[in-house]
Amino acid sequence: DAGITQSPRHKVTETGTPVTLRCHQTENHRYMYWYRQDPGHGLRLIHYSYGVKDTDKGEVSDGYSVSRSKTEDFLLTLESATSSQTSVYFCAIGGSAYNEQFFGPGTRLTVL
Amino acid sequence: SQQGEEDPQALSIQEGENATMNCSYKTSINNLQWYRQNSGRGLVHLILIRSNEREKHSGRLRVTLDTSKKSSSLLITASRAADTASYFCATGGGSQGNLIFGKGTKLSVKP
Repeated sequence: DAGITQSPRHKVTETGTPVTLRCHQTENHRYMYWYRQDPGHGLRLIHYSYGVKDTDKGEVSDGYSVSRSKTEDFLLTLESATSSQTSVYFCAIGGSAYNEQFFGPGTRLTVL
Repeated sequence: SQQGEEDPQALSIQEGENATMNCSYKTSINNLQWYRQNSGRGLVHLILIRSNEREKHSGRLRVTLDTSKKSSSLLITASRAADTASYFCATGGGSQGNLIFGKGTKLSVKP
């Protein structure tokens, strides 16, 4: 998986609980992305980062925040998880804009 | 909102046959990419075709792009059971290389 790890790989939590997902890369790529994948919707971009401390919103950013304090780590936080955030979350990295992205193995999150 | 829309949603063929998947999109693009996802795994990049290219090959894969029709096709020749997966097209055009994915085509290759 191109030097990308995600943790945890599986998580079950309760509504209203804060949750943080971590993406870690060893490729020194500038761009990092968080997507969610849901049946019938494909992959949708949540947030992305184009450098340390440089982040921006994607298509479905409501209820999510991100942080990138160093090149290798990109954190996705659900401040107060809701059942609608039950999904599979994928992190991806890219060396430059307009080129291919490399995906991590995914985190399956269930919010009860 | 979805940019790329794959067609068909599901495709079932026999080993050795060719598989063709189509993708339509709505706005202008910088490039179009195809990804494969095996069940329960992350996406794997297959091929990228830029907006000024019309056709590209990689092994058993052939991708075409028609920007006038805003469509692309992915052809997998001589399919194998290991090609069983979901295939997604993704269009790139955002300022930071953001990709917009379609909902995918689920390909089943029967031995």
